[in-house]
Amino acid sequence: GAVVSQHPSRVICKSGTSVKIECRSLDFQATTMFWYRQFPKQSLMLMATSNEGSKATYEQGVEKDKFLINHASLTLSTLTVTSAHPEDSSFYICSAREHGDTEAFFGQGTRLTVV
Amino acid sequence: SQQGEEDPQALSIQEGENATMNCSYKTSINNLQWYRQNSGRGLVHLILIRSNEREKHSGRLRVTLDTSKKSSSLLITASRAADTASYFCATEKLVFGKGTKLTVNP
Repeated sequence: GAVVSQHPSRVICKSGTSVKIECRSLDFQATTMFWYRQFPKQSLMLMATSNEGSKATYEQGVEKDKFLINHASLTLSTLTVTSAHPEDSSFYICSAREHGDTEAFFGQGTRLTVV
Repeated sequence: SQQGEEDPQALSIQEGENATMNCSYKTSINNLQWYRQNSGRGLVHLILIRSNEREKHSGRLRVTLDTSKKSSSLLITASRAADTASYFCATEKLVFGKGTKLTVNP
């Protein structure tokens, strides 16, 4: 299947700093990318959906100014957690889809720890 | 709600047995997808069934779709210990429910 690369896999940062997570589709062009957050032993919570070249659509309750999403090309989307706090510590996962009626491919996830 | 809801939440079986998981959804769909997640990893796509299909097979996996009941089922035949994972269904909106945690005991 297609490959989606998410980087970094783990990151530890200090409170108040910003962290950028990259999501790349390696062998296909992703018109849509999705960002999720997952707490231990819970399901994935959709944070936002982004289409290449347009602003991301955020789910209710997700702070746009805190979780900045950029989808500048058909193969790259980034999630920046700004002014991170310990409560932002979580597992963040991206996925990418070529067309609206096809399956999505997921990155390996990023474990963020804010200390 | 745009998400799929899986049932049961947990399932424990012996190796070699079949495992059946169910999914219900509330909106009209173009397709329904099943994914697997091993602990601490991203999701892996298993199978996609379109709204005009009733059944689809892929190896040991069999998926059915009943759009009149807004439900789908995933059957894993001759289960293996390596099938131990959480399984999720999703419509094309890719909003996920709580999943079914499957444990296959050797």
